[in-house]
Amino acid sequence: DAKTTQPNSMESNEEEPVHLPCNHSTISGTDYIHWYRQLPSQGPEYVIHGLTSNVNNRMASLAIAEDRKSSTLILHRATLRDAAVYYCILRVFNNAGNMLTFGGGTRLMVKP
Amino acid sequence: NAGVTQTPKFRILKIGQSMTLQCTQDMNHNYMYWYRQDPGMGLKLIYYSVGAGITDKGEVPNGYNVSRSTTEDFPLRLELAAPSQTSVYFCASSYSPHTGELFFGEGSRLTVL
Repeated sequence: DAKTTQPNSMESNEEEPVHLPCNHSTISGTDYIHWYRQLPSQGPEYVIHGLTSNVNNRMASLAIAEDRKSSTLILHRATLRDAAVYYCILRVFNNAGNMLTFGGGTRLMVKP
Repeated sequence: NAGVTQTPKFRILKIGQSMTLQCTQDMNHNYMYWYRQDPGMGLKLIYYSVGAGITDKGEVPNGYNVSRSTTEDFPLRLELAAPSQTSVYFCASSYSPHTGELFFGEGSRLTVL
């Protein structure tokens, strides 16, 4: 299965942009890149996903490298509520369905 | 909308006891999943289901069983509880097998003493 690599932790100042990197050098052509985040004592929540093109939604932007071996989640203005663990995941498709494997993620700390 | 509902939220078990974690979703999703999360770690897939009557093992299925008799419900059974099963358990569901987002429940915290 394709794996992802993320920094263990990152810090940001409130109201500044945050760029969370993810490496996925063994990604295959049919794998979608998903990002989830987990606030303290909660279940993960969906942030964004993409295949090849950059994607924007109300929560964040996803920038995908041309060779798809890496991607970056962009939070345009970090708030204290964005402090969470962010998971970069490859949505692997197989005949029986799909499985999302969550690695350790990046713990984002936001300073006021 | 209720989304994904898990019960109980907290439970303490003695070694060797059995219990069932309940999970139900009201979004008519075919795909459902059970994950466990140990302290400070990511989520590991226990079992998943692609529809009523169809289940399959994930990464860490030993010590657990599941069933899927309806689209809405996906219970996880722990047989002969062991301290190694102390964890937070998350149920999730998805409409699409490939692109759709996963919706997670709030989790069930299980302690085995």
